[in-house]
Amino acid sequence: DTAVSQTPKYLVTQMGNDKSIKCEQNLGHDTMYWYKQDSKKFLKIMFSYNNKELIINETVPNRFSPKSPDKAHLNLHINSLELGDSAVYFCASSQVKGETQYFGPGTRLLVL
Amino acid sequence: SQKIEQNSEALNIQEGKTATLTCNYTNYSPAYLQWYRQDPGRGPVFLLLIRENEKEKRKERLKVTFDTTLKQSLFHITASQPADSATYLCALEASSASKIIFGSGTRLSIRP
Repeated sequence: DTAVSQTPKYLVTQMGNDKSIKCEQNLGHDTMYWYKQDSKKFLKIMFSYNNKELIINETVPNRFSPKSPDKAHLNLHINSLELGDSAVYFCASSQVKGETQYFGPGTRLLVL
Repeated sequence: SQKIEQNSEALNIQEGKTATLTCNYTNYSPAYLQWYRQDPGRGPVFLLLIRENEKEKRKERLKVTFDTTLKQSLFHITASQPADSATYLCALEASSASKIIFGSGTRLSIRP
């Protein structure tokens, strides 16, 4: 009955590789988000989609590309991974844009 | 630019006492403010949302106040228990809506 799920939970990879993180929500929400939480636990928004349309695109390197095949899914693809990309990435969804967010369990990315 | 501060990085209190966490913001007037709880290795979980026209909101042992004059929210946990130990994040609606901005969090520890 998981509301927001992410795969994989852990991702360890080499610098320069390309990887994807998947997110799915079964709450029927129209808006989905990707957040990055760094080692200092600061949670920062990266992208937001509303009904498959990109509505927020923060200052994020072009190597990060979100894709929303339908409103229940928001995937994150990262090209040419760098050491500084190591962090926990959270997917979230909300019924109303910007309001109460429901978070996934996070994907712990470690770039070696 | 919008700024949000949670004054204490960490707070330790005795079980049974009331824990009070502070969230201050500058440079804009959000329509609402939210509080989340985050346990280690997990995503944030929504606790309460308070709107600008509400002075106070309660949910069981939790109470949130919102003072738009002081630009401050206080989050109280009464009769605190060790199980309340977690990081608590406040989040504000950004001036360009559709997203929220998170504070850096306060790590609360309740000792038996």
